Amino acid sequence: DVKVTQSSRYLVKRTGEKVFLECVQDMDHENMFWYRQDPGLGLRLIYFSYDVKMKEKGDIPEGYSVSREKKERFSLILESASTNQTSMYLCASQTGRTVGKEQYFGPGTRLTVT
Amino acid sequence: DQQVKQNSPSLSVQEGRISILNCDYTNSMFDYFLWYKKYPAEGPTFLISISSIKDKNEDGRFTVFLNKSAKHLSLHIVPSQPGDSAVYFCAASSLGGTYKYIFGTGTRLKVLA
Repeated sequence: DVKVTQSSRYLVKRTGEKVFLECVQDMDHENMFWYRQDPGLGLRLIYFSYDVKMKEKGDIPEGYSVSREKKERFSLILESASTNQTSMYLCASQTGRTVGKEQYFGPGTRLTVT
Repeated sequence: DQQVKQNSPSLSVQEGRISILNCDYTNSMFDYFLWYKKYPAEGPTFLISISSIKDKNEDGRFTVFLNKSAKHLSLHIVPSQPGDSAVYFCAASSLGGTYKYIFGTGTRLKVLA
């Protein structure tokens, strides 16, 4: 069974703080993704990575950065948190060896920025 | 520009009846589609997929239909059970492109006992 874990289920931060969200997968997947989920907007892709040290912008990268130093770990960084970054953040992983494979999601981190 | 649309934000169905969730897309390059189910406070879980070479794929109580000419897909759940109550997302991808999915906005299904 694929397991994707996220460092926190709930997080409350103040405006301007630097925030780290960590994601770890145990299936040796090449691809990893960060999404945010907001009511009425579905899941929107922030960043993704095909390999260690590689990253690509998704649809809404502004205000975020990422780090992938090890294959199993993909971090999302909010350099200076703002209230409009209050959201549910979801990490996903996917094998890169075959196209058309499903993504496996972690349980999510509910981030509140006050 | 919403390339994948789920126009019904919510749907209520009686237990035992059929649930039909719909999804429309605009990009003709999409050739692989998936449905995910999401319970509150959990991540989405993969349900079923279909590639554009098929028009139907079935897995137990779940069937996905694809109408390429209409750029429309639907998920049928028969019979519906209370445990199916969740938010359902459709997603689209281009197998010749990247591994990115474009997700719809979701439909909240409530199955009434």
